[in-house]
Amino acid sequence: QKEVEQNSGPLSVPEGAIASLNCTYSDRGSQSFFWYRQYSGKSPELIMFIYSNGDKEDGRFTAQLNKASQYVSLLIRDSQPSDSATYLCAVNMIAGGTSYGKLTFGQGTILTVHP
Amino acid sequence: DAGVIQSPRHEVTEMGQEVTLRCKPISGHDYLFWYRQTMMRGLELLIYFNNNVPIDDSGMPEDRFSAKMPNASFSTLKIQPSEPRDSAVYFCASSLNGGADGYTFGSGTRLTVV
Repeated sequence: QKEVEQNSGPLSVPEGAIASLNCTYSDRGSQSFFWYRQYSGKSPELIMFIYSNGDKEDGRFTAQLNKASQYVSLLIRDSQPSDSATYLCAVNMIAGGTSYGKLTFGQGTILTVHP
Repeated sequence: DAGVIQSPRHEVTEMGQEVTLRCKPISGHDYLFWYRQTMMRGLELLIYFNNNVPIDDSGMPEDRFSAKMPNASFSTLKIQPSEPRDSAVYFCASSLNGGADGYTFGSGTRLTVV
């Protein structure tokens, strides 16, 4: 089992729809969870992070965390063509304190928003 | 703030040559990370530093890879000798608070070994 798994996609949604991106992780000790967006040929940029169970909203983006199910998701409301990118889930996996700060990334989900 | 600065942006080299990638983290950030990204393996952590000290180098693929951070504003990743399978995009990232609020990535160096 991979440490961080994302639905492979690609995911295609029409403009204005809700895009739902999912991620599961294997380490129950994980403390913090991140969503990055990466445009083709560019570096990853941080969209949101979440620490606590429940929802966290920022504009059109909502991150959802369920630690019992080891599941984190990202919802993008009113999707725009400019949201077309690869979305990377990342998890801060703590192991005896020595891996503090170390993010493990999923493979990413390619999202295409078509007009 | 200029962000994380990496150089060069692109590097093409012949197999067997030494390659040095450079990174300047954001001023004040105390963590620095080197990642490698390929289509097959995604983003892999190679090594990270805290206050210029290497903390975890378990991701360094083999002895051909080495990384240094001589001061808070500069780090290098060296590959000697380079091989075609080293071709990838290498990202440097920096953070405060051990990445508790995430990292900031540099623009990356696209390395091609022929």
